[in-house]
Amino acid sequence: EVQLVESGGDLVQPGGSLRLSCAASGFIFSNSEMNWVRQAPGKGLEWLSYINNGGSIRYYADSVKGRFTVSRDNAKNSLYLQMKSLRVEDTAVYYCARMYTSSSGKTIDYWGQGTLVTVSS
Amino acid sequence: IVLTQSPGTLSLSPGERATLSCRASQSVSSNYLAWYRQKPGRAPRLLIYATSIRATGIPDRFSGSGSGTDFTLTISRLEPEDFAVYFCQHFSSSPFTFGPGTIVDIK
Repeated sequence: EVQLVESGGDLVQPGGSLRLSCAASGFIFSNSEMNWVRQAPGKGLEWLSYINNGGSIRYYADSVKGRFTVSRDNAKNSLYLQMKSLRVEDTAVYYCARMYTSSSGKTIDYWGQGTLVTVSS
Repeated sequence: IVLTQSPGTLSLSPGERATLSCRASQSVSSNYLAWYRQKPGRAPRLLIYATSIRATGIPDRFSGSGSGTDFTLTISRLEPEDFAVYFCQHFSSSPFTFGPGTIVDIK
């Protein structure tokens, strides 16, 4: 069974930093592309970042480019999101999500349960 | 690519047919358009990918269609668990943006 478990969410002051982790199990993590997606309270979904299976290709949304860094440790079956210069508007539930790629196309097929990041003074 | 979903809210009764629209600001390959359902307090769940392929375990009352800039999710007969929020997402090129969502609520 595919499982994605996020951790690291917390209350942090504006300007602060935080590192989120996502522990993956039930599939071959090193073969999978991964994403981070967030959802502010009462709002829609916002795609944040993508990393390919080897970690050599990374994409970011403009809203977090230069402040957030995605990385992975395939030996530990783990995905990370390092967040710095946090703003009040970064307050959200952060989801780790697996990308499924086939000859038919691409999609996100599995999501974690999310971890809450609150940025407030 | 900006995705626009309509209507913002769809008020229907169980058993009725729901038609949700997702419009892209530029052409999206049909391989790269997906739909998700999200219930309150839960992570989204994949319903449809590559415009029309149902994900594992998704019942056949869900169907997807479209091409270019116009895509549609149809729920043929609404079940109680279908009253939720629906999002489309594209994977044509980064950023892999989502639409703002359509709320399907009980009339």
